[in-house]
Amino acid sequence: KAGVTQTPRYLIKTRGQQVTLSCSPISGHRSVSWYQQTPGQGLQFLFEYFSETQRNKGNFPGRFSGRQFSNSRSEMNVSTLELGDSALYLCASSLDPAGVKAYNEQFFGPGTRLTVL
Amino acid sequence: GIQVEQSPPDLILQEGANSTLRCNFSDSVNNLQWFHQNPWGQLINLFYIPSGTKQNGRLSATTVATERYSLLYISSSQTTDSGVYFCAVAGTASKLTFGTGTRLQVTL
Repeated sequence: KAGVTQTPRYLIKTRGQQVTLSCSPISGHRSVSWYQQTPGQGLQFLFEYFSETQRNKGNFPGRFSGRQFSNSRSEMNVSTLELGDSALYLCASSLDPAGVKAYNEQFFGPGTRLTVL
Repeated sequence: GIQVEQSPPDLILQEGANSTLRCNFSDSVNNLQWFHQNPWGQLINLFYIPSGTKQNGRLSATTVATERYSLLYISSSQTTDSGVYFCAVAGTASKLTFGTGTRLQVTL
């Protein structure tokens, strides 16, 4: 079974631009979560989508948004990029909604490394 | 939210040595996972272990949920074990809260 895939793998943008990152979950997984990793803040939760609805949201400004499609694929968008948005963005998928312990294991993609100049 | 602390922050071992990494968390959890982050940034699943003990080859993990800690054991370490090890937990929601990681370096 194929793992979580993310595109693109690397991206260079300039301040003020916007960017869209894509994530395809493991087949059959319905929950997709996004995380940001920076040297200063570590790994932080951005948001989670399930059945095309945002179910959880982390403490990030409104410039960060996402969506999920009917096939569970997800995209995240960052508008008006700032230098501090340079990070590794990781997507994770899991089989089942929160509350069913046995299916909460999350599997991560290889990440998209975003550099903002 | 749940707080996660990992120790030690850094660990240097000679090949063949054993090690124990610790993860303390501040509240009850429904999910606890251990990951190894490779040099390219990908998080590799090691264990899904909200409670109990599991073993996979040279690696094993134990979570004592009532005392809010988990341990990851690496035996007979190899240079390929080098990297950063993360513990992550989740309560009732699916979102994972990560610790700051243990950076392991295994030397020849």
